[in-house]
Amino acid sequence: EAGVAQSPRYKIIEKRQSVAFWCNPISGHATLYWYQQILGQGPKLLIQFQNNGVVDDSQLPKDRFSAERLKGVDSTLKIQPAKLEDSAVYLCASSGVGGELFFGEGSRLTVL
Amino acid sequence: GEDVEQSLFLSVREGDSSVINCTYTDSSSTYLYWYKQEPGAGLQLLTYIFSNMDMKQDQRLTVLLNKKDKHLSLRIADTQTGDSAIYFCAESGSARQLTFGSGTQLTVLP
Repeated sequence: EAGVAQSPRYKIIEKRQSVAFWCNPISGHATLYWYQQILGQGPKLLIQFQNNGVVDDSQLPKDRFSAERLKGVDSTLKIQPAKLEDSAVYLCASSGVGGELFFGEGSRLTVL
Repeated sequence: GEDVEQSLFLSVREGDSSVINCTYTDSSSTYLYWYKQEPGAGLQLLTYIFSNMDMKQDQRLTVLLNKKDKHLSLRIADTQTGDSAIYFCAESGSARQLTFGSGTQLTVLP
C-alpha cells in the first residue's frame, strides 16, 4: 500500500515570495491533515479536512496561509507571502475509518 | 488549551532500558500515542493506548498510563542503536486531532 506522498521535499525561497506544497493521501482516507513542525518542536495542526470540507482551521494563519482539497483527495497548502518564521517542515497526514494517522515524509521550507 | 510536555534529551547505553516520560493536561483525551521520528523522515506510529487502560505491551515497548496524574511513559527494553531518534508523545480528543509534545531526543550509546 502506498503511503502519504508529499512534494517538494525541500524548498528554499526568499521572504515575501510564495510557495505551494502538495499532498496525496493514502487511497480511501477521508481525513487529511496539514501540520507545521518548527525545528526543535512537535508538529502543530494547521488544518484538518474531512473529504473536501474543512473540519478545523483555527490554527491556520489565514492572512498568508491557504489550503484546499477540492476533489476530496489531493490537497495543496500555499503560503503567500512567506515570512522568516514560516521556515519549518510541513507534514501531511491522512486517516481512514480506523483513525490512525499516517504521515508523509514532509516538505522542508527554508525562508531566507 | 491542551498541553503536552516531555523532557528534551535522554541517553542510554545499548542493551539498557529507556524510559521516556510525558505529561498532558487534557483530561478528555481518548487516546495517547507514541511516535518515532528519524532524521529527515516523517512520524512513525509506535504504539498507542486507550485512556481506560493502564498498561499496554507490544514486544520491546511498554506503555504505562497514570490517568489520575496525566502521566504517560514509554519503556523500550534492550535499547539498540537503531532506536536513536526523537520520540513524540501525543494525545487526541474527540476530533481525532493530535496535540504533540516537543519530543525527546533518545541517544543510544554503544
